[in-house]
Amino acid sequence: DAGITQSPRHKVTETGTPVTLRCHQTENHRYMYWYRQDPGHGLRLIHYSYGVKDTDKGEVSDGYSVSRSKTEDFLLTLESATSSQTSVYFCAISESVTGQGYTFGSGTRLTVV
Amino acid sequence: AQTVTQSQPEMSVQEAETVTLSCTYDTSESDYYLFWYKQPPSRQMILVIRQEAYKQQNATENRFSVNFQKAAKSFSLKISDSQLGDAAMYFCAYRTVNDMRFGAGTRLTVKP
Repeated sequence: DAGITQSPRHKVTETGTPVTLRCHQTENHRYMYWYRQDPGHGLRLIHYSYGVKDTDKGEVSDGYSVSRSKTEDFLLTLESATSSQTSVYFCAISESVTGQGYTFGSGTRLTVV
Repeated sequence: AQTVTQSQPEMSVQEAETVTLSCTYDTSESDYYLFWYKQPPSRQMILVIRQEAYKQQNATENRFSVNFQKAAKSFSLKISDSQLGDAAMYFCAYRTVNDMRFGAGTRLTVKP
């Protein structure tokens, strides 16, 4: 979707290294989310944000941190990457907390070796 | 916590035929929203259809329609006149205030 971009699209990293994924939106939406997608689990929420510097943990937040210093950017950091964090990561945005579906980025495939 | 269950990991349909994907959910809330997302091989998550729980009328979007049974907490997706481009993973989702909960997905194959 043109209003939300994720970078990088693919990344291979080594166990124990820090990794940061970036989500950038041009829609000026207040709410932003990070999910991970794994076979058999669908998408699971890692962290979310309801405004600049306002973030909270989701269902699978261990080993991850986030930051949101500007409305348009939401960063996901794997503090010390592990093989269990090999996954596809999606960022999503929403204008409100109810009603609307999310708009998703195109995902980042992260492989931890 | 709200949970979403898709009991069919894989489904197949003949081109031009109709297929129904199942979804059930668990919630104690009375007002909520339900969604179906499509994920083709490109990996992009595409919103197919949404349903507001307070509306009894089933949502319809062209060849896609839902059968929403609130009391049974069931939300199935019907795809009519299936096309090759419908082949994808389909995710059912339940919207809460803080996030959206997804089922594990159903992989739909369309046979020519």
